[in-house]
Amino acid sequence: QEQLVQSGAEVKKPGSSMTVSCKSSADTFSNYALSWVRQAPGQGLEWMGGIFPIIATPNYAQKFQGRVTITADESTSTVYMELSSLGFEDSAVYYCARELSTGIFDYWGQGTVVTVSS
Amino acid sequence: EVVMTQSPATLSVSPGERATLSCRASQSVASNLVWYQQKPGQAPRLLIYGASTRATGIPARFSGSGSGTEFTLTISSLQSEDFAVYYCQQYNNWPRTFGQGTKVETK
Repeated sequence: QEQLVQSGAEVKKPGSSMTVSCKSSADTFSNYALSWVRQAPGQGLEWMGGIFPIIATPNYAQKFQGRVTITADESTSTVYMELSSLGFEDSAVYYCARELSTGIFDYWGQGTVVTVSS
Repeated sequence: EVVMTQSPATLSVSPGERATLSCRASQSVASNLVWYQQKPGQAPRLLIYGASTRATGIPARFSGSGSGTEFTLTISSLQSEDFAVYYCQQYNNWPRTFGQGTKVETK
C-alpha cells in the first residue's frame, strides 16, 4: 500500500522560500503523478500543481506560476515543492497526494504545517 | 477556472438519518468529479470518483450521482464516524478546483 511521508513543520519569514518533500514508499513511484494541495487554517483545499515523475514536466496552477517549483527525484522516490516569496497568506498545511488517475487523489501525505511569521 | 459551490455549508443530521450534500460546477465537468471526506487534523480521504464510483474500501452507504454541473453525495444512514467535512473536486479542467466544503455535524 502506498504511503507518502512528508517533511516536518516549518516556520518561515515573509519573503523567504520553503521546500517541502514527499517520499513515496511504493515501488510504483514513477507510475503515478503526484500533486501538491494546500489548506489554509479553517479553509478549503487548493491545488497548487503536480508532476508525473517519469515525464518530469510539472503542471502548475496559474495562481502559483512563477512562485512554485515542483520536482521529482526517481532515485529516492521523492517529490519536492518549493514556494518562494512567502507571504502571511501562505501559512497553511501542505499536502502531497498521489493521483490514482489524472486529478483523482487517492493517497495523501500526512501534511506539513508551514507558518509564515515575522 | 471552474468554480465549485457546495451546499449547505453545514448540515445537522442525527445518527441513522440520511444526509444529502450538493455540489455545483460553474460549467460542465462531465462526470469528472470526486468527493473527499476530511476529519480534523487528518488528510482528505477519497470517497467517490467519476461522480459515482466508490473508492476502494468505502462503505456502500456512500453514494454519488450527477453529471454536468449538478452533483450529489448521499450518506444513506449516518454513522458516528461519518461526521466530518466533505469536499467535492472537479478534474475535468485545469486547475483542479475544490468546493468550499460541507460540514456534517451531529444534530
